[in-house]
Amino acid sequence: DAKTTQPTSMDCAEGRAANLPCNHSTISGNEYVYWYRQIHSQGPQYIIHGLKNNETNEMASLIITEDRKSSTLILPHATLRDTAVYYCIVRSQGGSEKLVFGKGTKLTVNP
Amino acid sequence: EPEVTQTPSHQVTQMGQEVILRCVPISNHLYFYWYRQILGQKVEFLVSFYNNEISEKSEIFDDQFSVERPDGSNFTLKIRSTKLEDSAMYFCASRGPRTSLLDTQYFGPGTRLTVL
Repeated sequence: DAKTTQPTSMDCAEGRAANLPCNHSTISGNEYVYWYRQIHSQGPQYIIHGLKNNETNEMASLIITEDRKSSTLILPHATLRDTAVYYCIVRSQGGSEKLVFGKGTKLTVNP
Repeated sequence: EPEVTQTPSHQVTQMGQEVILRCVPISNHLYFYWYRQILGQKVEFLVSFYNNEISEKSEIFDDQFSVERPDGSNFTLKIRSTKLEDSAMYFCASRGPRTSLLDTQYFGPGTRLTVL
């Protein structure tokens, strides 16, 4: 599975959009981009995933660049409860079923 | 909304003792996983389990570890003789009946294991 690079930490004001970038420049055509988050030692929580089209659900939007080498997770109106570590994970259908977590981005939403 | 549950939330044990961590996956899920996270470190995969067999395991998952689905609802992780370095949060996860490896894994809240 392709390697991902994320900033170590980010800050966001409550009520504003949080845009979390992820670089996956070696991604291949059959690899998906997944986002999970972990709120203070709780179990990782699935957020969203996509292949090449932008995706939106009740939690977030995922914007994948046309060359698929990077993506951005958008939390449209961040709340204090969105403070967490966010993980960008690349997975392929033919690869292992295990999730490989990096260090992620620690997002702090400030009042 | 259905969720993965784990018990106990915190387990304290003496080095060398056996512990069993319990998980109840989401009811129609068929694929089960254990991960662990040592304090301040990354979440690490331990093992995946399907159809009463281990389908994949990591180097961490040595002979001291075993998994079992003793009945139709529970999924357990046993550590035979705990070591200090086994102290960690242990997360159970499960995913649905679809055979796609990309099917979403849902995690439980974790069991904090402290080995003294």
